[in-house]
Amino acid sequence: QSVLTQPPSASGTPGQRVTISCSGGNSNIGSKAVNWYQQIPGTAPKLLIFGNNQRPSGVPGRFSGSKSGTSASLAISGLQPEDEADYFCASWNDSLNGPLFGGGTKLTVL
Amino acid sequence: EVQLVESGGALVQPGRSLRLSCVASGFTFDDYAMHWVRQAAGKGLEWVSGISWNSRSIGYADSVKGRFTVSRDNAKNSLYLQMNSLRAEDTALYYCAKDVRGYYYDDSGYCDSWGQGTLVTVSS
Repeated sequence: QSVLTQPPSASGTPGQRVTISCSGGNSNIGSKAVNWYQQIPGTAPKLLIFGNNQRPSGVPGRFSGSKSGTSASLAISGLQPEDEADYFCASWNDSLNGPLFGGGTKLTVL
Repeated sequence: EVQLVESGGALVQPGRSLRLSCVASGFTFDDYAMHWVRQAAGKGLEWVSGISWNSRSIGYADSVKGRFTVSRDNAKNSLYLQMNSLRAEDTALYYCAKDVRGYYYDDSGYCDSWGQGTLVTVSS
């Protein structure tokens, strides 16, 4: 499957824990690492998680990633208002011979 | 601090050409692969093209293959995207992004820094 599927939206209240899923196939998530990006409207994407579960320096520990089989998840604990953004998963895809991005999930902090 | 500054976006008629540029600073440009990624308004991210540090390996999405050409000038710390035979569906914000590896086809690589993008609008 050469598509990464994310839910179009997610929401939570401050302090809550929210998870965003990303479903792919054997040619991408099933055999490659998953990365996550945060995009605040009007700004460039920012790397949030790389290598399935690694955080770049400067990314708060509230953000965590995991992968199982052909699916991955981004978890945000202790949700904060500034976490309101679009979140994209990405993984190398063998048939594309390039990185494949999910459709994005718009996270609303209620 | 890594900086990537894109330019060259414009309103252009279908079938015409456009050349995008990206100037990099804050890192050793010729150590890393580079990518172009686009985003149509309100839509997700789409990988367009990648080029290895030495320009010897290049890749394109099927949607642009044969119409777009990526290149780089390491002496000028610059990345380019020549876009020919433009179509309405090419309308998007085009981002320049730095890979963490030297070869764009390294499947352990990923984009760790992005520019602010340059807008391409294809319309008559």
